[in-house]
Amino acid sequence: AQSVTQPDARVTVSEGASLQLRCKYSYSGTPYLFWYVQYPRQGLQLLLKYYSGDPVVQGVNGFEAEFSKSNSSFHLRKASVHWSDSAVYFCVLSAQGGSAKLIFGEGTKLTVSS
Amino acid sequence: AQTIHQWPVAEIKAVGSPLSLGCTIKGKSSPNLYWYWQATGGTLQQLFYSITVGQVESVVQLNLSASRPKDDQFILSTEKLLLSHSGFYLCAWSLTGGSSAETLYFGSGTRLTVL
Repeated sequence: AQSVTQPDARVTVSEGASLQLRCKYSYSGTPYLFWYVQYPRQGLQLLLKYYSGDPVVQGVNGFEAEFSKSNSSFHLRKASVHWSDSAVYFCVLSAQGGSAKLIFGEGTKLTVSS
Repeated sequence: AQTIHQWPVAEIKAVGSPLSLGCTIKGKSSPNLYWYWQATGGTLQQLFYSITVGQVESVVQLNLSASRPKDDQFILSTEKLLLSHSGFYLCAWSLTGGSSAETLYFGSGTRLTVL
């Protein structure tokens, strides 16, 4: 069965600190993985995606993620967070079937404190 | 540039009343279209998707229906709302082709409160 787990429902970090949001997936095939961000009362926006090649992918606003097949993980990182990064972050798995078969994690709510 | 517009922004409705939510995509022909539902503080659950006019696939049964009357329009509706329908409804589009690496582009959503 395919699944996505984000073990941390809430994360709080200080402005300027580094960030890692964890994501574990379960899928026997080649995964296509995404991170989306949802700002309050808005739709979702793509941060980055991975489907092959360099396991470290760069996204918008200084975010990056590292794919690990051995660990079945796709953790999101940022070297220095800003208060405007406060949002909910979703890790998403696309299995065979394209966008009609997206599996969303439960989301991690990030709060950046000043 | 492509734009996606959802309406209304918010609705407060009574249990048992009808509902119609809409979504329009401009600047992209023949997109794949999707409806998602998000409970307050929860994750996204896909409800429907459509790859062409007049064709809609149901993913989850929630006593809702969807239609695609035009290439750029996707409608979500029900004749009788339930309390459990409350939440945030998101429309999204992606390029056609079925690639697993397609990006979804989301609308700003409709906040539905059923009382």
